[in-house]
Amino acid sequence: AAGVIQSPRHLIKEKRETATLKCYPIPRHDTVYWYQQGPGQDPQFLISFYEKMQSDKGSIPDRFSAQQFSDYHSELNMSSLELGDSALYFCASSSPDTLFYEQYFGPGTRLTVT
Amino acid sequence: SQQGEEDPQALSIQEGENATMNCSYKTSINNLQWYRQNSGRGLVHLILIRSNEREKHSGRLRVTLDTSKKSSSLLITASRAADTASYFCATDAEIQGAQKLVFGQGTRLTINP
Repeated sequence: AAGVIQSPRHLIKEKRETATLKCYPIPRHDTVYWYQQGPGQDPQFLISFYEKMQSDKGSIPDRFSAQQFSDYHSELNMSSLELGDSALYFCASSSPDTLFYEQYFGPGTRLTVT
Repeated sequence: SQQGEEDPQALSIQEGENATMNCSYKTSINNLQWYRQNSGRGLVHLILIRSNEREKHSGRLRVTLDTSKKSSSLLITASRAADTASYFCATDAEIQGAQKLVFGQGTRLTINP
């Protein structure tokens, strides 16, 4: 079965650079979530989109922005990168048809800021 | 001390019954989130309730938030065997100048068929 696809899987950037992470949800899933998990940390909810509109906002820094496109894929744009942005970034997708609007997680993008 | 504390630590009920789990916290929060985790799996974000909201629904889930008592409850109605999992509350608050998501210890929910 198709799963959530994230690209790239690994990304190395320098401070003050920008990064764009992409997420392709499971087909027919209309909701996308972004999470950040720092080293040894619990995952933190950043932002979610439903039907291309922002639906919930968590701990997302102002330097980050995200959007969901007409084909339901989403991109997380990160500017003025800081060392503390080094983390694993998960994307998840869901559909009202799933149990509890259960979210299906992608494999993550590991971002390293040097 | 623990920001989020959950009660009970373990709950076992029959399929079809309702399950209620409680969470208490200590500091002011921006929002409170509930997560589910199957054994050995990752966390699944269930629902987020903001500090200015009192109740929120999502499918068979109902979440309440009482900021005066610094507590939240998660109600799962008409439970199913597939609901067996650990449920965590997590508070999103500014602690020592930094935004932080703090997880509670979790409630282990077992639904008996």
